[in-house]
Amino acid sequence: DAGVIQSPRHEVTEMGQEVTLRCKPISGHNSLFWYRQTMMRGLELLIYFNNNVPIDDSGMPEDRFSAKMPNASFSTLKIQPSEPRDSAVYFCASSFFSVGASSYGYTFGSGTRLTVV
Amino acid sequence: DQQVKQNSPSLSVQEGRISILNCDYTNSMFDYFLWYKKYPAEGPTFLISISSIKDKNEDGRFTVFLNKSAKHLSLHIVPSQPGDSAVYFCAASGMNQKVTFGTGTKLQVIP
Repeated sequence: DAGVIQSPRHEVTEMGQEVTLRCKPISGHNSLFWYRQTMMRGLELLIYFNNNVPIDDSGMPEDRFSAKMPNASFSTLKIQPSEPRDSAVYFCASSFFSVGASSYGYTFGSGTRLTVV
Repeated sequence: DQQVKQNSPSLSVQEGRISILNCDYTNSMFDYFLWYKKYPAEGPTFLISISSIKDKNEDGRFTVFLNKSAKHLSLHIVPSQPGDSAVYFCAASGMNQKVTFGTGTKLQVIP
C-alpha cells in the first residue's frame, strides 16, 4: 500500500483565490481526518469523516473552508477565498475504526504546504 | 483551549543519555494516549501508545508513563540516538476516535 497520498505537496496562491487540497486514504480505512499544523497551535483537527460521512466539523475555522468525501478513496479540502492566515501545512490521515476498539493511531500523509501571498 | 499541552517547545540531549518529553492533558474523558514522531517534510508517524488502564508501556528504547491523577504523561527514550531528532507530538483520544494533539516538542540529540 502506498500509504495516504496527498496532493499537491506545495501550493502557492494569491489571496482571494480558491485552493483545493486532495487526499487518497489507505484502502480499507473507513475514517479520514484533515488536520492543519501551525507553530502556535500545533496539529488542529479541522474535520473528520467516518464511512464517507462528516462526523465532526467543529474545527473548520470559518465558512471559507469546506470538505467533501464523495467516496471511500477520495477527499478534498477547499478554501475559498484563501487568505494569508491560511498559510500552514495541511495533513490528511486515515484509520480503521470500529466501535469499542482501542484507538491505534492514524496514518498520516506527507502534507500539503500552503502559502497564500 | 488546549486540551493537550506540551509546555517545552524544544529539548536538547546528548547521544546515549535519556530524553524525557512531557505532556499534560485537561480532559478526563480521554482514555487513550499516543506519541507521534515527525521528521521535516513528512507526516507524523505513530510511535507508541498507552491505554488509561495502564501506567506504563514499553517498546524497545521507548517507554510511555501515564499518571492519571496528575493528568500527565511522559515519553522516555533511552538511550537517545541522533536519529531520534524530530518533533514529538503527544496526543489523546476518547471513545469517538477523535485524536487531539499537542503543539509538539522538538528534540535534538547531539552526537
